[in-house]
Amino acid sequence: AQSVTQLGSHVSVSEGALVLLRCNYSSSVPPYLFWYVQYPNQGLQLLLKYTSAATLVKGINGFEAEFKKSETSFHLTKPSAHMSDAAEYFCAVSDRGSGNTPLVFGKGTRLSVIA
Amino acid sequence: GAVVSQHPSRVICKSGTSVKIECRSLDFQATTMFWYRQFPKQSLMLMATSNEGSKATYEQGVEKDKFLINHASLTLSTLTVTSAHPEDSSFYICSARDDRAHGYTFGSGTRLTVV
Repeated sequence: AQSVTQLGSHVSVSEGALVLLRCNYSSSVPPYLFWYVQYPNQGLQLLLKYTSAATLVKGINGFEAEFKKSETSFHLTKPSAHMSDAAEYFCAVSDRGSGNTPLVFGKGTRLSVIA
Repeated sequence: GAVVSQHPSRVICKSGTSVKIECRSLDFQATTMFWYRQFPKQSLMLMATSNEGSKATYEQGVEKDKFLINHASLTLSTLTVTSAHPEDSSFYICSARDDRAHGYTFGSGTRLTVV
């Protein structure tokens, strides 16, 4: 079964500093990979997704992620953190198969941004 | 982009009553919808996969008689929590697969509190 591991349940950065949230997947076949953000008591908003095109994926709000097959990783980065980036971030994976395949989520990483 | 509308956003009910949560895909047809449950400060756990016109597929440990799922049309799936108890209090989120874009769109979630 597909799975993803997010390293670090909580990451704290200063405003303006680099954001790096780590995600590793377990699959012998490159899956589809996603990063979502969740604000308190809200649903999930898609930041970006990897579906086999370019390995460097650019998303919304200045975020990007690089798919590295050799490292089975899909880490999320942003060059300069804003206070509004403070939220919960989830990495998720799905098979490349049919539409019946659900997303499987990592445990999430809470990002705090310090002024 | 694809939009999934989920209602209600919040509901408080008495123990022993039933609550229905609706999810509608607004601008696309969702053959498959997924229902997740999220406890505070935790990740999303898949409860069931809902397919239009057929019975839902439940994950292990999810009581199908307690969490009734109906997917009667290509744009509507409902989750009914029957005979709710305080331990059913949680955040429930639906998701629909948008095959056009290899994506998953999430509803805004429903905060259920059983008193």
